[in-house]
Amino acid sequence: DTGVSQDPRHKITKRGQNVTFRCDPISEHNRLYWYRQTLGQGPEFLTYFQNEAQLEKSRLLSDRFSAERPKGSFSTLEIQRTEQGDSAMYLCASTQPGGNTDTQYFGPGTRLTVL
Amino acid sequence: QKEVEQNSGPLSVPEGAIASLNCTYSDRGSQSFFWYRQYSGKSPELIMSIYSNGDKEDGRFTAQLNKASQYVSLLIRDSQPSDSATYLCAVRSGAGSYQLTFGKGTKLSVIP
Repeated sequence: DTGVSQDPRHKITKRGQNVTFRCDPISEHNRLYWYRQTLGQGPEFLTYFQNEAQLEKSRLLSDRFSAERPKGSFSTLEIQRTEQGDSAMYLCASTQPGGNTDTQYFGPGTRLTVL
Repeated sequence: QKEVEQNSGPLSVPEGAIASLNCTYSDRGSQSFFWYRQYSGKSPELIMSIYSNGDKEDGRFTAQLNKASQYVSLLIRDSQPSDSATYLCAVRSGAGSYQLTFGKGTKLSVIP
């Protein structure tokens, strides 16, 4: 499998619970991005890593959200004390290093439902 | 606030016709422009990227960029029912930022 993978694909949780999602980028892609998409909207940027460094964070990323990429390979996105408004598709994307290419390739997403 | 605007549609075209999808953006310094296709319940799939003014063709798809007008479009020739999807326009502003700003997408329906 050479694409971006995400796990789990679906997550149902109760309000107030913590959830964690994982993203494995395309091999050797050093840039990794997290987006959130709600119904009828385009994806909204959350955060971006270059290797293990978190270089950009959106104001959408409240204190309840945290992302890590400890070894510059896979990344995790954790949401603490989930709220119903967190229900969305969480998308991960990656980009290969170098050159002029900045094309982002998306994984299948994790669909979160908060009851 | 960087904005990307698209007509939400739905845009309906008959099979075999040309579908024209449009997008405008607010950040004049934007450098990279992308069209993604998204089927219902699926993640975005890259169709085209364009960086310079003019046209870029790839099979049945042609992307057009006009930076002076802050306008980017996607033409789909010989539209097929399998092209029915939501098309997302995405813009990267550059200036050290790698995040993409997406429009809300245009829903295209190709009628057999």
